Amino acid sequence: DAGITQSPRYKITETGRQVTLMCHQTWSHSYMFWYRQDLGHGLRLIYYSAAADITDKGEVPDGYVVSRSKTENFPLTLESATRSQTSVYFCASSDQGIGVHQPQHFGDGTRLSIL
Amino acid sequence: KNQVEQSPQSLIILEGKNCTLQCNYTVSPFSNLRWYKQDTGRGPVSLTIMTFSENTKSNGRYTATLDADTKQSSLHITASQLSDSASYICVVRPLDDYKLSFGAGTTVTVRA
Repeated sequence: DAGITQSPRYKITETGRQVTLMCHQTWSHSYMFWYRQDLGHGLRLIYYSAAADITDKGEVPDGYVVSRSKTENFPLTLESATRSQTSVYFCASSDQGIGVHQPQHFGDGTRLSIL
Repeated sequence: KNQVEQSPQSLIILEGKNCTLQCNYTVSPFSNLRWYKQDTGRGPVSLTIMTFSENTKSNGRYTATLDADTKQSSLHITASQLSDSASYICVVRPLDDYKLSFGAGTTVTVRA
């Protein structure tokens, strides 16, 4: 079972460039999430989506753009990369709704370095 | 301010020994508290989940406890194995929201 996959696993780019991180899930989960993980911090929510064509900002959305035209895909774009966006990015999906105790299932992350 | 604090930040134990990780949270009211295990280079994977009314939950050699009155949880690892080397993350879900609050994690290193 493929589950949730992220690509690329590693990416190096330069400041000012646009970069897109891909996320694909095979469970048809309604909810999808993008997080960043930095040393010393818990995972921080960037954007989330409750369904296709429905997205909303999380805790740290500045500098990022998302879209969700299909349930299974949730790409994250850095429009003009900055060094502060160097991080490990995790995509997650869940069948959760309010009051539902389903876990979020995480991909294995994309390690992004911006020079 | 982070609503979920974990301690210690890291610890080293010998194979076969036990250890306990702590999680203090301020999220209230909450729907559930979950412990995740994150291996190096991988995404977090759920270990246990506890709701407000539960005090203890086990998953093999992992036992989680919850004290909702003091807003504390612990994760106890029994008879540690080398494969237990990982980061353990405490995650709290608010009652009326699906946005989670994550602790920064405790890194456990098990040595032979």
